[in-house]
Amino acid sequence: GENVGLHLPTLSVQEGDNSIINCAYSNSASDYFIWYKQESGKGPQFIIDIRSNMDKRQGQRVTVLLNKTVKHLSLQIAATQPGDSAVYFCAESSPNDYKLSFGAGTTVTVRA
Amino acid sequence: SAVISQKPSRDICQRGTSLTIQCQVDSQVTMMFWYRQQPGQSLTLIATANQGSEATYESGFVIDKFPISRPNLTFSTLTVSNMSPEDSSIYLCSVGQGETQYFGPGTRLLVL
Repeated sequence: GENVGLHLPTLSVQEGDNSIINCAYSNSASDYFIWYKQESGKGPQFIIDIRSNMDKRQGQRVTVLLNKTVKHLSLQIAATQPGDSAVYFCAESSPNDYKLSFGAGTTVTVRA
Repeated sequence: SAVISQKPSRDICQRGTSLTIQCQVDSQVTMMFWYRQQPGQSLTLIATANQGSEATYESGFVIDKFPISRPNLTFSTLTVSNMSPEDSSIYLCSVGQGETQYFGPGTRLLVL
């Protein structure tokens, strides 16, 4: 896949506030997107995914928004908790291609 | 999702030696992948491990350096050959379930 990048490498957020993590992608053919969370010393953990036929998808305390017009993906975390401190990666794939391309990652730090 | 384990979890190796990393899944899966994550960086796909045939390598990765085995649908190995300090990374296996990939905990390799 083509490059998938993140706008900001770090994000500091106050506990209890909402977090927004952004991702830009360049491959207009991408049709499937995933957000992963990677805590220190662990492998990436699946958070939520979205297909290109959707604009929004909600999970538990998380919402993913997809804007295909500007090729932008975001992850919103509601009521951020200390356990949300991690590196967050977006990843994308194209039709009939099971390979994922990963963005650079955003480090989220939650302040108590 | 599948439960994925990796061995070893970490290792310190001398340059010029080789290390074989094992990935075990608790259920049969068609797609298995190997990634490298250099310090502070994102994930880069090394290869797709194909059951019963040679792995499919991404640009910049070759079989002589990263030989891969996939003897069955629940197990794969990645060997990092003739190591140099530049090979110090986290090596991750993942399994594909549909278009989604789930990751193992990673193997943290330090080459001296």
